[in-house]
Amino acid sequence: AQSVTQLDSQVPVFEEAPVELRCNYSSSVSVYLFWYVQYPNQGLQLLLKYLSGSTLVESINGFEAEFNKSQTSFHLRKPSVHISDTAEYFCAVSARGGGSNYKLTFGKGTLLTVNP
Amino acid sequence: SAVISQKPSRDICQRGTSLTIQCQVDSQVTMMFWYRQQPGQSLTLIATANQGSEATYESGFVIDKFPISRPNLTFSTLTVSNMSPEDSSIYLCSVEDFGDEQFFGPGTRLTVL
Repeated sequence: AQSVTQLDSQVPVFEEAPVELRCNYSSSVSVYLFWYVQYPNQGLQLLLKYLSGSTLVESINGFEAEFNKSQTSFHLRKPSVHISDTAEYFCAVSARGGGSNYKLTFGKGTLLTVNP
Repeated sequence: SAVISQKPSRDICQRGTSLTIQCQVDSQVTMMFWYRQQPGQSLTLIATANQGSEATYESGFVIDKFPISRPNLTFSTLTVSNMSPEDSSIYLCSVEDFGDEQFFGPGTRLTVL
């Protein structure tokens, strides 16, 4: 079984400031890692994912996350946030290989609020 | 990526009634999932629905309360039965593509009075 811990339930920042949303996971098997974003009154959208290869993954809107196996972390970062980045961010994990291990386990989410 | 639609987008229901939520995908997928997102909470998997077999329910969820149908590779329904205010949540369906990632529908926001 997997579990995900998002250490911060809320992160307020000012526009153009850098931000880091923390995510730690536990698993007895190798995992895939995901960040999903939920804008107000909208559904979940996949922001970025780590499946294999380079441990640093990037999204099209400037977010990046780095898979750190030794620290079992997958923190999300952006060097300069915009007001439009205000949303709930969910870290999620699934066991590698599909089959019966397809289930996504979500963290409790971090509400990022970007203030002018 | 798959495009997923859900109906209804929101509903307000009376205690003791049932609501059926539909999930439609624009491509054929093997695995479909149903999640619940209670107010201020994260997503919890209710069940997995594969075409041609019974749905597989997670701990804490039972078929009598959340019956699921999966008649073909592009469609599924979730029924929330005998509703109580505790069932007020957002219900989301998702599908898994060959890239080992899941795509989510827009959700159905349910309020039970």
